[in-house]
Amino acid sequence: EAQVTQNPRYLITVTGKKLTVTCSQNMNHEYMSWYRQDPGLGLRQIYYSMNVEVTDKGDVPEGYKVSRKEKRNFPLILESPSPNQTSLYFCASSRRLAGGYPRDEQYFGPGTRLTVT
Amino acid sequence: GQQLNQSPQSMFIQEGEDVSMNCTSSSIFNTWLWYKQEPGEGPVLLIALYKAGELTSNGRLTAQFGITRKDSFLNISASIPSDVGIYFCAGQAKGGNNRKLIWGLGTSLAVNP
Repeated sequence: EAQVTQNPRYLITVTGKKLTVTCSQNMNHEYMSWYRQDPGLGLRQIYYSMNVEVTDKGDVPEGYKVSRKEKRNFPLILESPSPNQTSLYFCASSRRLAGGYPRDEQYFGPGTRLTVT
Repeated sequence: GQQLNQSPQSMFIQEGEDVSMNCTSSSIFNTWLWYKQEPGEGPVLLIALYKAGELTSNGRLTAQFGITRKDSFLNISASIPSDVGIYFCAGQAKGGNNRKLIWGLGTSLAVNP
């Protein structure tokens, strides 16, 4: 089954304790992206990756890091989490068209609900 | 960041009724997408639109890409209880390497059986 998986689904942590949220897709998609979803603010892009070893900032990258060492995986790293990073996080992926641009039909993972106290 | 104007914010309807929601933008879009999100899940793509004027159906759902390229609507006919969820529109405003989607804030749909 084609899917995007995220782990963990729920995480409660304390300020400053480094954490990683994993994301994996089995569709051989080149493009992957991380979003956070907050009430009243909708979905905001954190980072994206066009392909292995190619990553760039989205709208709200502060306090986050990503890496893309393998095509299928795109982990989100919070080096020193703070309470304002409490949010619902989604990983998404999409395939690339022949012209080189990713198709816009992004497929989302189930989400990771993070609480930082 | 930029957001789309999505309306209505919420709807509470009776089973069997038709539903209509729309999104507008101040920018021209090349792509309009409609997603549905259920509690505890990620958004799921319902319909993708790539051409101005395009009308596309997916079962009881129909969506159109506005002629001006600044709006789109989604209709749900004969609603059923499993239609409950939050519906999001998303648009892709320009080309470039990051085909970043611009999102609406969602329309929350409740269906009374």
